[in-house]
Amino acid sequence: ETGVTQTPRHLVMGMTNKKSLKCEQHLGHNAMYWYKQSAKKPLELMFVYNFKEQTENNSVPSRFSPECPNSSHLFLHLHTLQPEDSALYLCASSQAGRGSNQPQHFGDGTRLSIL
Amino acid sequence: GDSVTQMEGPVTLSEEAFLTINCTYTATGYPSLFWYVQYPGEGLQLLLKATKADDKGSNKGFEATYRKETTSFHLEKGSVQVSDSAVYFCALSDPMDSNYQLIWGAGTKLIIKP
Repeated sequence: ETGVTQTPRHLVMGMTNKKSLKCEQHLGHNAMYWYKQSAKKPLELMFVYNFKEQTENNSVPSRFSPECPNSSHLFLHLHTLQPEDSALYLCASSQAGRGSNQPQHFGDGTRLSIL
Repeated sequence: GDSVTQMEGPVTLSEEAFLTINCTYTATGYPSLFWYVQYPGEGLQLLLKATKADDKGSNKGFEATYRKETTSFHLEKGSVQVSDSAVYFCALSDPMDSNYQLIWGAGTKLIIKP
């Protein structure tokens, strides 16, 4: 699956660092998503962007800051993270619209480790 | 609210065995149902989907039938291979949800031994 590309694939950072995760989709979709996947926990939806507008923020701490400059790109800015934020961060996109049953397409994720 | 419940794993089978991974859901409307698969080190991939009652989704030898009467969407495969080892996620979407979210099951890890 090359439709959704995430960079970097792996990231190790200290708790005081600032870094950004990048996601790009080449599928012409109008909605993009950030998920957090931790070991032995269900997939957690973090943010949803539809037509570049943020439509969902599932009580995510402010140390995670999303940015969606256009419908093809999505960023997740990270600052002063905690060890419990270590996880796989997945980006997805879909063609969304009322009545739509289109699936989400995922990138391979960024494996984030907080030291 | 809507929810998805999957059987807990890991599920361990021998090669060529028959596979069933149970998935049941609760939903107020008429959801679409999906199975996704996640191979080690990768993101999730859509495996199959069904959008209305009695639809059967199929792909790569896997099948699942949308059963409204039992609110189920069980995943089956007649003869599994070592390469099927992965985590499988059941999910639903409500087409009338303005946030276009998927509701996810917890995932079931499948281990196939040669």
